[in-house]
Amino acid sequence: GIQVEQSPPDLILQEGANSTLRCNFSDSVNNLQWFHQNPWGQLINLFYIPSGTKQNGRLSATTVATERYSLLYISSSQTTDSGVYFCAVEGSNYKLTFGKGTLLTVNP
Amino acid sequence: DAGVIQSPRHEVTEMGQEVTLRCKPISGHNSLFWYRQTMMRGLELLIYFNNNVPIDDSGMPEDRFSAKMPNASFSTLKIQPSEPRDSAVYFCASSLRWRPGNTIYFGEGSWLTVV
Repeated sequence: GIQVEQSPPDLILQEGANSTLRCNFSDSVNNLQWFHQNPWGQLINLFYIPSGTKQNGRLSATTVATERYSLLYISSSQTTDSGVYFCAVEGSNYKLTFGKGTLLTVNP
Repeated sequence: DAGVIQSPRHEVTEMGQEVTLRCKPISGHNSLFWYRQTMMRGLELLIYFNNNVPIDDSGMPEDRFSAKMPNASFSTLKIQPSEPRDSAVYFCASSLRWRPGNTIYFGEGSWLTVV
């Protein structure tokens, strides 16, 4: 099946800093989503982005499908951004496969 | 929209007992997924349904696990008998139509502890 690798596995920031999270995948995809799992365990949709660039407030994402990677940018980070960020991709088998996530800690 | 609704949110049960987790997908969605999250294995797809029909249950760990979707607004995941290694967070998710490129929405999860 399709492989999804996320980096870095852990990231610690001071409030106000910017960061870039990366997701590499091993095959062409029909769907790519970024999720944020907050400290209470909720999985929140951030972006549906199989290709191109999207922005939502301080967050933006870019997927370069031909090169099989996606980037999630967080600008001016806040403590509420803490949690695990997952990239999930859907290949030709219609299954959404998750990466292992990036654990982000934003300190005040 | 109310989102995907799961119950119970938390359950602690003794080994050997039957556990039933419930899910109500987003109204109008016709694809439903059950995922399990553990520290060791991350998020794993257990089974998914399209139009109430199980399409792929290859992720179901063993025969102790079963899932049903009797109608478009309700699904259950049952574990009988439960074992301590089944302790995990079980997520239900839904999406609109079963075709590539649909956004998937998750419930808040059912936190299961088997002692």
